[in-house]
Amino acid sequence: GDSVTQMEGPVTLSEEAFLTINCTYTATGYPSLFWYVQYPGEGLQLLLKATKADDKGSNKGFEATYRKETTSFHLEKGSVQVSDSAVYFCALGSGGSYIPTFGRGTSLIVHP
Amino acid sequence: DTGVSQNPRHKITKRGQNVTFRCDPISEHNRLYWYRQTLGQGPEFLTYFQNEAQLEKSRLLSDRFSAERPKGSFSTLEIQRTEQGDSAMYLCASSLGDRYEKLFFGSGTQLSVL
Repeated sequence: GDSVTQMEGPVTLSEEAFLTINCTYTATGYPSLFWYVQYPGEGLQLLLKATKADDKGSNKGFEATYRKETTSFHLEKGSVQVSDSAVYFCALGSGGSYIPTFGRGTSLIVHP
Repeated sequence: DTGVSQNPRHKITKRGQNVTFRCDPISEHNRLYWYRQTLGQGPEFLTYFQNEAQLEKSRLLSDRFSAERPKGSFSTLEIQRTEQGDSAMYLCASSLGDRYEKLFFGSGTQLSVL
């Protein structure tokens, strides 16, 4: 079945550092790929998405490129802020119903 | 847009009791999802509705779990004869359209079974 694998956390960085959170997937067909973010005490919210190979999703300085050849969708940001501290979930949607399948999440902690 | 609302925020119950959670989706959203999340894990799909029709259920959803969405508006998730393994955060999400686009999540109901 469909699955998403994310790197283990927590990821701890200093402010203005470069961020990469790795995500790889297994799916039949051509899934859509997503990154969701969960800030402390809040519900998950969509950060960015890509619906076909080589698409790049971007939002709030974050980017991720849909790589079909490596089945990956790594999240990157050039300069993180303390306010980026949150849990990040990689997800995919495929099949007729497109019910999203989520990874286990990666916690990001950014220190001033 | 008042967001997805879930009640209660927290529920503590004794093993064997029944519990019911409520989700109020964003008003014009026709799709509604229930997920379960345990500590250190991502959300696991339980079931989803398109309008009032329950279209898919996960194998995680045992016979003790039942969900309804009367009139295609709010939804309830009931767990009968709760077990300690049911302790988790129960998440509701809604979306607009026939195909998945963007899910809007509520803050969840945290269930603790003693």
